Amino acid sequence: RKEVEQDPGPFNVPEGATVAFNCTYSNSASQSFFWYRQDCRKEPKLLMSVYSSGNEDGRFTAQLNRASQYISLLIRDSKLSDSATYLCVVNTNTGNQFYFGTGTSLTVIP
Amino acid sequence: DGGITQSPKYLFRKEGQNVTLSCEQNLNHDAMYWYRQDPGQGLRLIYYSQIVNDFQKGDIAEGYSVSREKKESFPLTVTSAQKNPTAFYLCASSILLQGTQYFGPGTRLLVL
Repeated sequence: RKEVEQDPGPFNVPEGATVAFNCTYSNSASQSFFWYRQDCRKEPKLLMSVYSSGNEDGRFTAQLNRASQYISLLIRDSKLSDSATYLCVVNTNTGNQFYFGTGTSLTVIP
Repeated sequence: DGGITQSPKYLFRKEGQNVTLSCEQNLNHDAMYWYRQDPGQGLRLIYYSQIVNDFQKGDIAEGYSVSREKKESFPLTVTSAQKNPTAFYLCASSILLQGTQYFGPGTRLLVL
């Protein structure tokens, strides 16, 4: 079983739509969670960390559900510039490794 | 400007050749990492280093070697033992070993 699993998509949504991605992780001892954004042929860039209480940054909201071992990312009022691949990242804090999902592809359509 | 730089942007390797990818950071981060990204796959850890003169193997270290002689630099050598080296190589750093990672722009390695 993979450490981190994501639906690869693609998600094609119209401008202004709300879209949500989920990511499941297998290790219940996982402590740190992140969402990264990766544009085509570019490096991943940190979008937001995910805190236990959930957190919001503008149009982006991240949630953590420890009981079901998943994290989510909600994007409201989608913009064309949101088109990218979104990577889920998990770290156990007891190990020395971050585990990356394969990414979820989002295309926002005019 | 603070950041992570990688060079070259593109690298071509001939059969049986060793090549070295450069990674430099001026963020004063202690930890540095090398990942490989293949199409349709998540990033896979090759090597990581917590401090100078120390480094550890990741999941796919075979065919690769690294050094950490300076805090700012963590070069990766792709040896001839790596039979499928074509990939996008990403270097990252973090303040501490389990801190948020920041990535360099990557190097695309292609085999001639």
